[in-house]
Amino acid sequence: GNSVTQMEGPVTLSEEAFLTINCTYTATGYPSLFWYVQYPGEGLQLLLKATKADDKGSNKGFEATYRKETTSFHLEKGSVQVSDSAVYFCALGLIQGAQKLVFGQGTRLTINP
Amino acid sequence: EAGVTQFPSHSVIEKGQTVTLRCDPISGHDNLYWYRRVMGKEIKFLLHFVKESKQDESGMPNNRFLAERTGGTYSTLKVQPAELEDSGVYFCASSHHRGGTDTQYFGPGTRLTVL
Repeated sequence: GNSVTQMEGPVTLSEEAFLTINCTYTATGYPSLFWYVQYPGEGLQLLLKATKADDKGSNKGFEATYRKETTSFHLEKGSVQVSDSAVYFCALGLIQGAQKLVFGQGTRLTINP
Repeated sequence: EAGVTQFPSHSVIEKGQTVTLRCDPISGHDNLYWYRRVMGKEIKFLLHFVKESKQDESGMPNNRFLAERTGGTYSTLKVQPAELEDSGVYFCASSHHRGGTDTQYFGPGTRLTVL
């Protein structure tokens, strides 16, 4: 089956710290990989995506590289800000068929000034 | 361009009552998806419409849930009768083309509380 496992939260960091949120997946096909973010009081927003192995998605200083050999898509940011506090969801979507998304459980990130 | 909108933002009902959630996708998007997040767990797929047709409803939990998309525009998700375990946040998403790597745009969600 298809599944996504994220590192459990909550994660609390100080401003300007380095961030890594681990994500690994299991998929029967060739998935696209996504990171979505939910800021307080808002809906899910696409943060970045990668559609094939070795692709790197990046946005707002966040990066994630599609690693087929380790079935991973870890999210990183070199220097976090208070405004990055949110819940982050890793997800996969299969190109074949309906392309429904399979999500991880979410990681709550809190950045302290 | 307006994003995906959902109504209501919150709903509190008693067990056994009926609730109808509405989703308005981005104009021109043929694909419409419903997802649900229960009790801080992962977000789970419920079903997928392509225009007015149900493409995949494998995630619908049981026959108390009924989704419609008449005319291929907005969609409703009805829960009748609601049970305690139906509490959670219901998200709607839409995308333009079928398949491929098209981005799904999510609405803000409807938080449903069943007492």
